[in-house]
Amino acid sequence: EIVMTQSPLSLPVTPGEPASISCRSSQSLQSSNGNNYLDWYLQKPGQSPQLLIYLGSTRASGVPDRFSGSGSGTDFTLKISRVEAEDVGLYYCMQAVQEPRTFGQGTRVEIK
Amino acid sequence: QVQLQESGPGLVNPSETLSLTCTVSGGSISGYYWSWVRQPPGKGLEWIAWIHDSGRTKYNPSLNGRVTILLDTSKNQFSLKLSSVTAADTAVYYCARHFSGGTYPLDSWGQGTLVSVSS
Repeated sequence: EIVMTQSPLSLPVTPGEPASISCRSSQSLQSSNGNNYLDWYLQKPGQSPQLLIYLGSTRASGVPDRFSGSGSGTDFTLKISRVEAEDVGLYYCMQAVQEPRTFGQGTRVEIK
Repeated sequence: QVQLQESGPGLVNPSETLSLTCTVSGGSISGYYWSWVRQPPGKGLEWIAWIHDSGRTKYNPSLNGRVTILLDTSKNQFSLKLSSVTAADTAVYYCARHFSGGTYPLDSWGQGTLVSVSS
């Protein structure tokens, strides 16, 4: 199975400042059609996960444009341009190119 | 807006079978892929299985053949059965829908239900 590795695992942030999370996969997530099969999810405290990004860089419906995804192959990044207090929680990347789908360990974003 | 709600026992004895149901409201279960995902206390997410209304299923091999996922279109429900459970199966279990596009990401989730395995 594909192993997903996130860094950092903990990220203290200052509101209004940018933040960045890295996700690396043990195999390429790029399909023969050129798409990257990588999703990002946010699990706010006490809530279910919610979809932020799919296909590596496509924002899901209703997701603020301060969230952006980039990367290709085995290296991906989630960026928050200006962190807001409501962005705290656990961020997970998940690969969707191969079954079983596998998640990263999660990155905990908290306000300094 | 589709909504998903998990239901089932919150406590299961070791070696027995865990059974959960996900009821889908606000939309049809037909035409979509549906998954179960679990999260042990204080740990990360683990995908368990998906099913499509065509009857196609896919399971996580890490669960060693203990999983069965079923879909009932007449009730707009799908279910999970996990046999021979141990304490390691204690987790919050989520049901989720796959968005029909791109990576087929999980775009709608239930609130989750905690299942504890203990005698």
